Amino acid sequence: EEQLVQSGGEVKKPGESLKISCKASGYRFTSYWIGWVRQKPGKGLEWMGIIYGDDSEITYSPSFQGQVTFSADKSITTAYLHWGSLKVSDTAMYFCARLATFNGRTEVFDLWGQGTLVTVSS
Amino acid sequence: DIQLTQSPSSLSASVGDRVTISCRASQSINNYLNWYQQKSGKAPKLLIYAAFTLQSGVPSRFSGTGSGTDFTLTINSLQPEDFATYYCQQSFTTPQVLTFGGGTKVEIK
Repeated sequence: EEQLVQSGGEVKKPGESLKISCKASGYRFTSYWIGWVRQKPGKGLEWMGIIYGDDSEITYSPSFQGQVTFSADKSITTAYLHWGSLKVSDTAMYFCARLATFNGRTEVFDLWGQGTLVTVSS
Repeated sequence: DIQLTQSPSSLSASVGDRVTISCRASQSINNYLNWYQQKSGKAPKLLIYAAFTLQSGVPSRFSGTGSGTDFTLTINSLQPEDFATYYCQQSFTTPQVLTFGGGTKVEIK
């Protein structure tokens, strides 16, 4: 069964670092992109950026460039989202999602993780 | 960057109603427009891709139309399980930018 399983919720203080994970199984990890999506409480979906499974290419949304870092470890088929110094405004649910090609051209997020809730509070 | 504007941001409807949600792109995206459904506290689910193609397993009461800059998601005969938030997303500039619309919340009247 194809699935993405994310790490559990986190409660952190401002200024702390954090890395959350997204473990893929049931498909060839290095053949797909993994995207990260933020959802603040009561708000919409924000595309953060995307990383190729073999870690060869990364694109960050301009809104998140310099704020977070993506990485991937193909040996354990896991993608990561890392913050060096958290802010209260980083409090949100974070989803990872697989980008797949349908109809030979259209790319969609067809497989989603369950989400990781990150709470940053002093 | 391409912006996607959804309207309305929320609506109230009754079971059995026909509901239409609009998504407008700031520039032409051909038919590279996808629709997702998100229920409270859950991950989004792909409903429609390439503007009008129904994802496997999605009920036929959902349909999508449009191309260029104007797109519509229609739900015929709204069911209780359809009360959720719906998002459009463009994949014209994939994988560099994959913008989502602001969402439309469908609530029970």
